[in-house]
Amino acid sequence: ILNVEQSPQSLHVQEGDSTNFTCSFPSSNFYALHWYRWETAKSPEALFVMTLNGDEKKKGRISATLNTKEGYSYLYIKGSQPEDSATYLCAFHNQGGKLIFGQGTELSVKP
Amino acid sequence: ETGVTQTPRHLVMGMTNKKSLKCEQHLGHNAMYWYKQSAKKPLELMFVYSLEERVENNSVPSRFSPECPNSSHLFLHLHTLQPEDSALYLCASSQFPWGGSTGELFFGEGSRLTVL
Repeated sequence: ILNVEQSPQSLHVQEGDSTNFTCSFPSSNFYALHWYRWETAKSPEALFVMTLNGDEKKKGRISATLNTKEGYSYLYIKGSQPEDSATYLCAFHNQGGKLIFGQGTELSVKP
Repeated sequence: ETGVTQTPRHLVMGMTNKKSLKCEQHLGHNAMYWYKQSAKKPLELMFVYSLEERVENNSVPSRFSPECPNSSHLFLHLHTLQPEDSALYLCASSQFPWGGSTGELFFGEGSRLTVL
């Protein structure tokens, strides 16, 4: 059974706070790790696809790191803004081609 | 039009009805997917079509029947559904065939299905 766990399930922060959340995945049979942002009533959009152990990716105020040996990835948001409010999904891509999603972290940023 | 479009956005049907969900991608991608999201659960992969061939059927009941007439269109035909099938159904596409790369998925906005 392939489990992808995300924590916390939900997070409420004030505008300007920095925040981070975790995605845990199986450390074997790794191919890639995806992060998506899903705003209410919109479609999920890819943030990052990460493939190499130690990889770090950045897009504006959002960055992510990857540790494939221990099976985790962190997503960081620096100086959260209300428009960052969304559900953040990670997905583990195994070598068999399957993309297994976590339950998501729901972020709410209050002005 | 751009991206991945799904219709209808909302659908209410009785258990004896037959209906279909439609997905269209304008990205020139080679793989298309149906995902199901039930409340508070992760996205569940239902079907994958790669180069118009079904390559994955994730133990989905036969009351869900996919159809991929060409690389741009994907349907999900619904028949004699149960109330527990009420969920958000998301379509997605990816550039390369199934298993061919680590490329991200491009999603539609989903079809919210309610089965009475």
